Amino acid sequence: EAQVTQNPRYLITVTGKKLTVTCSQNMNHEYMSWYRQDPGLGLRQIYYSMNVEVTDKGDVPEGYKVSRKEKRNFPLILESPSPNQTSLYFCASSFGTGRYEQYFGPGTRLTVT
Amino acid sequence: TQLLEQSPQFLSIQEGENLTVYCNSSSVFSSLQWYRQEPGEGPVLLVTVVTGGEVKKLKRLTFQFGDARKDSSLHITAAQPGDTGLYLCAGVGNNNDMRFGAGTRLTVKP
Repeated sequence: EAQVTQNPRYLITVTGKKLTVTCSQNMNHEYMSWYRQDPGLGLRQIYYSMNVEVTDKGDVPEGYKVSRKEKRNFPLILESPSPNQTSLYFCASSFGTGRYEQYFGPGTRLTVT
Repeated sequence: TQLLEQSPQFLSIQEGENLTVYCNSSSVFSSLQWYRQEPGEGPVLLVTVVTGGEVKKLKRLTFQFGDARKDSSLHITAAQPGDTGLYLCAGVGNNNDMRFGAGTRLTVKP
């Protein structure tokens, strides 16, 4: 089954404790993205990757890191989480941008206390 | 910054009514997409519009891309409770980044 998987689905952590949210897709997609979704603000892109070893900043990259060592995986790293990073996070993948459909993962709800 | 503004932000209607949701920008987009998101799930693509003036129909949903490719609309005819959800428009920025509107939260009451 074609899908984007994210883990964990729910995470409660404390300020400053490094964490990684994993994202994997099995559709051989080149384009992968991370978004955060906050009430009233819609989806905001954090980082995106056009292909392996190519990553770019989106709208809200501060406080986040990503890597794309393999085509299928695109982990999101929070080196020192802060309460303002409490949000719902989505990973997405597609063959490209523009007219290509983005497939979204189920989301990760992160709470930083 | 290429912003996509959606209106209205919230919409609550009775089953059987018609509605229109708007997505506007001051920037030109090569294409626009509409997604629908249900609670607890990720967004799912409804349609992609590419050509200025293009109209696409998906059963009771009609999507239009403005002639200048700066705006789009989604019209739902005879809304049903199953149409309830968050509707998001999205476009590709100049740097291949993706931009989403803040969304329209639609509630259709039986």
